[in-house]
Order: sequence, then C-alpha cells, then structure tokens
Amino acid sequence: GNSVTQMEGPVTLSEEAFLTINCTYTATGYPSLFWYVQYPGEGLQLLLKATKADDKGSNKGFEATYRKETTSFHLEKGSVQVSDSAVYFCALRGSARQLTFGSGTQLTVLP
Amino acid sequence: DSGVTQTPKHLITATGQRVTLRCSPRSGDLSVYWYQQSLDQGLQFLIQYYNGEERAKGNILERFSAQQFPDLHSELNLSSLELGDSALYFCASSEGHGGNTIYFGEGSWLTVV
Repeated sequence: GNSVTQMEGPVTLSEEAFLTINCTYTATGYPSLFWYVQYPGEGLQLLLKATKADDKGSNKGFEATYRKETTSFHLEKGSVQVSDSAVYFCALRGSARQLTFGSGTQLTVLP
Repeated sequence: DSGVTQTPKHLITATGQRVTLRCSPRSGDLSVYWYQQSLDQGLQFLIQYYNGEERAKGNILERFSAQQFPDLHSELNLSSLELGDSALYFCASSEGHGGNTIYFGEGSWLTVV
C-alpha cells in the first residue's frame, strides 16, 4: 500500500534560518504529492502540491520538487519566520484518490 | 477559509454515548472525505463519499458510520464512544473523485470523558 515517511520532529530554528523537512514515499503508479500545514488550533491548509515527476510546487516562500528517482518531496524554505511555526504534513494521493499522510513535523521558529 | 464547514467545533461527551459530526463541503464539490487525527495514530483516512455514494473506506470502526445527503452535506456518526475515540475529526472535500485538490475544514474536536 501507499505510505509516507517524514522527518521526525520537532524541529527548532532561529528566524531567517534555512528549513528542510524530508519526505519520502512509497506508492504504486504516479501519485500526486502535497504539503499541508496546520497552525496551532487550526485545521489543515494546503501549502503546495506537485502532480508529476520533476514538478516544483511553491507557495509563501516554500518549495518542494517531486523526485521520482528518489521517491522524495522534501520541503524547503530559504528564510523561515516566527509565523511559520506549525506542523507540516507530507501527503500523497494515489490511485485510490484519498490522501495518505506522513506523521507530521512540528516546526518552531524562535525570534 | 477553505470553504469546508464543520460543526460542532468542540464536543465533550461521556463514554457509551453517540454523537453526530456535520460537514458542508465547498460549493460545487461532490466528494467528501472524513479523517481522524489522534496523537497516537496521526491522520487516518476514515471514509469517502462521492455524490451520495460511498466510494472508499479506510480505517473506520464498525461503531462509526457516515452518509452524504442529496444536498451533499455529510454526517459522521460515532456511537458507543470510548476514551480512545477522543480526537480531531476532519472533513474534506474535492470537486470530483480524482485529480483534484482536497480542501479541509477546521475540524471537530471530540473529547470523550
């Protein structure tokens, strides 16, 4: 079956630091890949997505590239802000059409 | 605001009781999904409906059931509640059955005491 493995957290960074959250997946076929973000006390928000190999999703300074050869979709941001503190979930959507999520990575950015 | 509306936002109930969680999908979306988020299990897919019909079933307990009505809103019924059912329950919707982005509501916090 499908599965998503995410970098274990929590991750604590200083403001303006570089962020990488690793995500690898196992799936049959050609899944679509997503990053969702959950701010404290809120629901899940779509951050970015990529639907085919070599696609790069980007939003709010975050980027992730769909790498089929390494089955990865790592999330990056060049300079994090305190407001980026949240839980980040990597997810895939395969032939079954529902989302399979990773375990989530808690990010805390300190001023 | 994703456009997916869930009620109630918070609910506290006793073991053995039954509750109903309600979801209104985004305007025009035909698919509704239910997910459970708990500390020990993470985000688990429960069930999907498409235009009133059950389309996929995940890790949904037999004590739980759902349905999607002709106006496309959905309800998740949880019965014989146990302490371990305490979780955040998300509803999500998408336009079609496949190939579309899934948008999530803010969730319903269920606490079983």
